[in-house]
Amino acid sequence: QKEVEQNSGPLSVPEGAIASLNCTYSDRGSQSFFWYRQYSGKSPELIMSIYSNGDKEDGRFTAQLNKASQYVSLLIRDSQPSDSATYLCAVTLNSGNTPLVFGKGTRLSVIA
Amino acid sequence: SAVISQKPSRDICQRGTSLTIQCQVDSQVTMMFWYRQQPGQSLTLIATANQGSEATYESGFVIDKFPISRPNLTFSTLTVSNMSPEDSSIYLCSVGAGAYGYTFGSGTRLTVV
Repeated sequence: QKEVEQNSGPLSVPEGAIASLNCTYSDRGSQSFFWYRQYSGKSPELIMSIYSNGDKEDGRFTAQLNKASQYVSLLIRDSQPSDSATYLCAVTLNSGNTPLVFGKGTRLSVIA
Repeated sequence: SAVISQKPSRDICQRGTSLTIQCQVDSQVTMMFWYRQQPGQSLTLIATANQGSEATYESGFVIDKFPISRPNLTFSTLTVSNMSPEDSSIYLCSVGAGAYGYTFGSGTRLTVV
């Protein structure tokens, strides 16, 4: 059974702080890792993708991957109230051809 | 990245009836994926639809309840059959988009009364 685990939260951070979201996965064959943001009533929106060990930065977002520990994280710097949403970690074996397996999501609340 | 048009966006249906959800992609894709998102929950994969072959269903989902068609590389439908209130969910289609990750349709919010 392929599993993706996330802390469901809610995670509350003050505006301007760093939000840290974590995810572990069970299938060692997983090759592609994604973070999606989902606002209430909306479909998931891709924030970051990461495929190799290490850090990947895009603006205020940094994804970190450690395949040995089967661990993925997302850091959001200078958090804004507009970042308040549910963040979904998703993994797959072969990007594009195999389905995503989602974690339960972490609800982030950024307090102004 | 691929753009998906999903219809209908929402519907309220009587129990015992069926609803067909359509997804149209603006480019040819090999695999399409159908998900269900129950209220307050994450996305659960229903099935994978590969053009020219039967869809592959996940544990807990059966073809009689969720028949899927995939007539070509840009289109797929999911039917929710013999609906009950427990089928009230958001249904989403998705395609892989290489380096752009996976994109999703806008979702179909189904309420069964």
